[in-house]
Amino acid sequence: EDQVTQSPEALRLQEGESSSLNCSYTVSGLRGLFWYRQDPGKGPEFLFTLYSAGEEKEKERLKATLTKKESFLHITAPKPEDSATYLCAANYGGATNKLIFGTGTLLAVQP
Amino acid sequence: NAGVTQTPKFRILKIGQSMTLQCTQDMNHNYMYWYRQDPGMGLKLIYYSVGAGITDKGEVPNGYNVSRSTTEDFPLRLELAAPSQTSVYFCASSPPGEDIQYFGAGTRLSVL
Repeated sequence: EDQVTQSPEALRLQEGESSSLNCSYTVSGLRGLFWYRQDPGKGPEFLFTLYSAGEEKEKERLKATLTKKESFLHITAPKPEDSATYLCAANYGGATNKLIFGTGTLLAVQP
Repeated sequence: NAGVTQTPKFRILKIGQSMTLQCTQDMNHNYMYWYRQDPGMGLKLIYYSVGAGITDKGEVPNGYNVSRSTTEDFPLRLELAAPSQTSVYFCASSPPGEDIQYFGAGTRLSVL
């Protein structure tokens, strides 16, 4: 059964304290691993797509990496505005782009 | 640039009532999706469409219906609302040749 699991469920950091979020997946025929950010009361906002093991992508304080079983979202020197829920999703539907989502990591960055 | 627009933002239904959640996008995207998000759970795919006139079931389609008569609109219909359908519903769209999904702001539905 296709599955995406995220850990931890919640993470509290001090401003400037770097950390990583984990996304492990078991998806046959993976066609892309996605990271989204979701703010309270809003829809998910796209951050990254990774397609092959070893691939890395960066955006400001965020860097996403991919292995054959896991993806990590590294947050370097976070700021309070990075507080949000971070969602991981895997494309299991091929050309139809159907996604299976993890339950998310709620990140709180305190000043 | 409106993107993906969902209406209403909030709705309270009584058990057994019906309603349609509206979703429209102005980006000429072929693919559209409906998800539900329950507290502590990931988004679950309800239905999706790869173009006008073409729809298919996702993971959790029971109790819902969809139609896609135009590229822009993808309404989700609840025929006999049940408390188990209390959730936040998100619509998303994806352009041809690209796998990124762009989400609307959601509809928060309570069935009492």
